[in-house]
Amino acid sequence: GQQVMQIPQYQHVQEGEDFTTYCNSSTTLSNIQWYKQRPGGHPVFLIQLVKSGEVKKQKRLTFQFGEAKKNSSLHITATQTTDVGTYFCAGPSSNTGKLIFGQGTTLQVKP
Amino acid sequence: NAGVMQNPRHLVRRRGQEARLRCSPMKGHSHVYWYRQLPEEGLKFMVYLQKENIIDESGMPKERFSAEFPKEGPSILRIQQVVRGDSAAYFCASSPRQLGALGNQPQHFGDGTRLSIL
Repeated sequence: GQQVMQIPQYQHVQEGEDFTTYCNSSTTLSNIQWYKQRPGGHPVFLIQLVKSGEVKKQKRLTFQFGEAKKNSSLHITATQTTDVGTYFCAGPSSNTGKLIFGQGTTLQVKP
Repeated sequence: NAGVMQNPRHLVRRRGQEARLRCSPMKGHSHVYWYRQLPEEGLKFMVYLQKENIIDESGMPKERFSAEFPKEGPSILRIQQVVRGDSAAYFCASSPRQLGALGNQPQHFGDGTRLSIL
């Protein structure tokens, strides 16, 4: 079946270092969405990418959607302790439109 | 502008009892999704509903689990005869009506119900 995979599963960085998480889909996606879940919290929508090759920025966060619309990445520049949490990518299922979530990348930031 | 409301926040049940989890979507949202999350794990899709209609229940166990989203009132996820393995956080999310391509609307999550089975 349709799958969305994310790597790495965990990432520990020193505050100020950069961080990247990668997302790959087994099928072409109409869009990809990114969510962040803080420890003990609920997932919060960050951004949606729709166009092939699209790049969007939110302050220190840069999101990319691949040319083939099968992969995506989230890059955080100069991480801060407030960036701690789990980042999920998600793409819609081709038949019902439900979102298929990647396993998530958990980011720990050492001050 | 209230977000997705889930209750209860915490629910404790003994093995064999029933658990009922409620979710009121954001105002104007007609699509509801239920997810299950174990500690340190990702979100596992369970069921996708519109008002009075189950769109996709491919992630929900066939036995003991059921979900509904009636014309009036909240969506309910019901777990009968709970077992220890049902202990998890259950999140509900809602989205507006889909326009254009399927799954093109962001989902808004509630705070979740933490279910503990004794």
